[in-house]
Amino acid sequence: AQKITQTQPGMFVQEKEAVTLDCTYDTSDPSYGLFWYKQPSSGEMIFLIYQGSYDQQNATEGRYSLNFQKARKSANLVISASQLGDSAMYFCAMRRLQGGSEKLVFGKGTKLTVNP
Amino acid sequence: DVKVTQSSRYLVKRTGEKVFLECVQDMDHENMFWYRQDPGLGLRLIYFSYDVKMKEKGDIPEGYSVSREKKERFSLILESASTNQTSMYLCASHTSGDRLGELFFGEGSRLTVL
Repeated sequence: AQKITQTQPGMFVQEKEAVTLDCTYDTSDPSYGLFWYKQPSSGEMIFLIYQGSYDQQNATEGRYSLNFQKARKSANLVISASQLGDSAMYFCAMRRLQGGSEKLVFGKGTKLTVNP
Repeated sequence: DVKVTQSSRYLVKRTGEKVFLECVQDMDHENMFWYRQDPGLGLRLIYFSYDVKMKEKGDIPEGYSVSREKKERFSLILESASTNQTSMYLCASHTSGDRLGELFFGEGSRLTVL
């Protein structure tokens, strides 16, 4: 079964510091995609970053970077210079195939709190 | 601005009622999804559709059905609501040919079944 594991239910970080949110995955597919989404208290899901299984470089988007370690099957999200507005739920997700169609399977999420 | 709109942000229903959750997207996306979100469980896929009148079961389809009569609209139906279906329901869409994962989500429908 293909699944996503986020082992940190909650994380705390001081404003302006960096934080790493953990994500491990399990798949037997050679081709897959990994994603991170942010969900603020308002409820909307915001796409942050994407990493393809064949990408040679770690993905970066502004203050977000993805620490992709393929052999360890991990795709940790690194947020640099945390801001108060980064306080939210963060979900790791993986693309998987089912019945010829692709869809996302999500982890259980990590609640990040940024302290002033 | 791309948009996925869910018809109701908050609903309160009674056990046994039939419930319709509507989702409309204006991006001409082929693929639409219904997820349910519960604390500590993340998002779980209920049903998805990759074309008009096409549907496939996700991971937790029991107690739900869906309808996709038009490309822009994907409805989730609870034939007989039960208290364990109290949850946040999220609709999403994306276009074929785009890397899957950049799903566009609606704002969610919080359903309470009494």
